[in-house]
This record gives sequence, C-alpha cells and structure tokens, in this order.
Amino acid sequence: DAKTTQPNSMESNEEEPVHLPCNHSTISGTDYIHWYRQLPSQGPEYVIHGLTSNVNNRMASLAIAEDRKSSTLILHRATLRDAAVYYCIPRRAGSYQLTFGKGTKLSVIP
Amino acid sequence: NAGVTQTPKFQVLKTGQSMTLQCAQDMNHNSMYWYRQDPGMGLRLIYYSASEGTTDKGEVPNGYNVSRLNKREFSLRLESAAPSQTSVYFCASSEIGRTWDEQFFGPGTRLTVL
Repeated sequence: DAKTTQPNSMESNEEEPVHLPCNHSTISGTDYIHWYRQLPSQGPEYVIHGLTSNVNNRMASLAIAEDRKSSTLILHRATLRDAAVYYCIPRRAGSYQLTFGKGTKLSVIP
Repeated sequence: NAGVTQTPKFQVLKTGQSMTLQCAQDMNHNSMYWYRQDPGMGLRLIYYSASEGTTDKGEVPNGYNVSRLNKREFSLRLESAAPSQTSVYFCASSEIGRTWDEQFFGPGTRLTVL
C-alpha cells in the first residue's frame, strides 16, 4: 500500500474554508484516493474519493494533483461538527482493506 | 435504516476468557469487515468477508476467529483474550467490496482485557 503523510493537526475558524493536505508519492496508477473522517468516540465515516479528476460532493471537494502524488480535501465552510480526525487512504486496486494512518486532527474554533 | 449495529458497546474481560462480538447490517451489503483501533492509532483490518460464505484474513488476524452467519451478520470471536487485545473494535460493511466502494462503520465495541 502507498505510504501517506498528513499533518498531525490543523486548526480552522468556524465558517472558514479548510484545506487538508495529503502526500502519497508512492501511489500506483490504479489506486483510488479515499478520505474518511472519525468524529470523537464514533466509527469512521466516508467523506469522498477520487482517481484522477477533482471531485465534489455535498460534504467536501477533493483536489488531486496532476501527478497524483498529493491530494487536498477541501471543506468549504468549517462547522463545529467538522472537528474530527481526517484520514487520507490510497486504496490499492482489488484490495478490500482500508489502511488507516494516524490522520490529521482538525480543530474548529468558534 | 439502522445501518451497522454492534453489540455489546462495552466489555471487560479477564485474561483467558472468551467472547463473541456481534455485528449486523441492514443495507443488503455483500462485504463485511472487522477492524481494531488502538489508542492514538488508525484502524487495522482483522478479518473480512467479501461475500456470504467466504472469510479472509486481514492485517492482524492472530487471536481471532470470524463467522459470516448470513448476509446480514458477521461475528468476531476471541477464544482466549489477552491484554494486547484491549482495543476498540469496529465492524463495517460495503456493497460489493470494490476499490471505489464506500465502507459504512458501526459505533464500535470498547473491549478491556485485564
């Protein structure tokens, strides 16, 4: 599985945009890039995923670098409910497993 | 829809005791998974079931057994609990287990082994 590098922690003010970076320089061409988040004392929840193109859904946007060695999760307006640990997960083609690293702990300041 | 449910929510065991963690999903998903999460760490896959009738080892299967009872239910058994198995256990399910699939997680079972 591709190794990932994420900041240990980030802070954001409420209602401001947040850009969460992830480096995955060893990703292979068929790995999908998944993002999950884990709110305190809860199971992880899916946020978004993509392969090559930028992706948008109701929760967030995913910007994938042209060389696919990095990606950025964008929360357009952070709310207090977005305070969580965010995991960037390159998922190998054919693998059932999600390989979680330590993620980025996002704090949202009111 | 309840999604993925897990029982019990909390459990304390003594070393050497056995127990079964239960998981059920009501989304008609084919694939189910068991993960564990140690303090300050990400989740690690213990076992998974790609479809009803099949099970496979994940990253950390030692000390555990699983049963895919039917399409809805996937249980995890600790035959002889050890303190190293103190962890939070999460069950998850996904529609078909493909690389682009979304996995849905349960609320977790917090297990302490003394």
